[in-house]
Amino acid sequence: DGGITQSPKYLFRKEGQNVTLSCEQNLNHDAMYWYRQDPGQGLRLIYYSQIVNDFQKGDIAEGYSVSREKKESFPLTVTSAQKNPTAFYLCASSIVGIPGRGTQYFGPGTRLTVL
Amino acid sequence: SQQGEEDPQALSIQEGENATMNCSYKTSINNLQWYRQNSGRGLVHLILIRSNEREKHSGRLRVTLDTSKKSSSLLITASRAADTASYFCATDRAGGTSYGKLTFGQGTILTVHP
Repeated sequence: DGGITQSPKYLFRKEGQNVTLSCEQNLNHDAMYWYRQDPGQGLRLIYYSQIVNDFQKGDIAEGYSVSREKKESFPLTVTSAQKNPTAFYLCASSIVGIPGRGTQYFGPGTRLTVL
Repeated sequence: SQQGEEDPQALSIQEGENATMNCSYKTSINNLQWYRQNSGRGLVHLILIRSNEREKHSGRLRVTLDTSKKSSSLLITASRAADTASYFCATDRAGGTSYGKLTFGQGTILTVHP
């Protein structure tokens, strides 16, 4: 089965804790992305990575960190510095380097709630 | 307004009717894509239209692109209750390297009543 998996599906965090959201893909895609979605809103880009050991900040990177040690994995850490982390987090991947292409494939999402 | 803004925000129709959603954007693009999201799930890619294309079809979906007006529309014909979902347009901005970064709109919530 090819695709993107995210875990856990639901995550609860206490104030002041760091939590890590997992994202794994077996599509052999070079690029991976993390988005945040708030109720009734579109997606906002947190971080993205075009290649292993490289990543770039998106529009709302503050309070988040990522790593890209393996092509298939792109974990997101929500740190205590993120003041309003309760949201739905979506991971995606895509092929890059081909102008006019770039369909993104999404995982099922992780819903993070701060208690 | 933001890059990739959908209109209307919500649309309610009866099964069998057509549904039309619009998307406006601000900058030049490589392509524009439409995605669907069922409640609480990830997004699913529906269709991609390149900047040099004007119309594209896929099953019951028809997408148009007018780069002079910086707008696109998604038409779903003969809608079904199973089409109930949120629909997002996303733009791949022109210029720079092809990282494939997309900018998403706020979405249109479509409800199809049986």
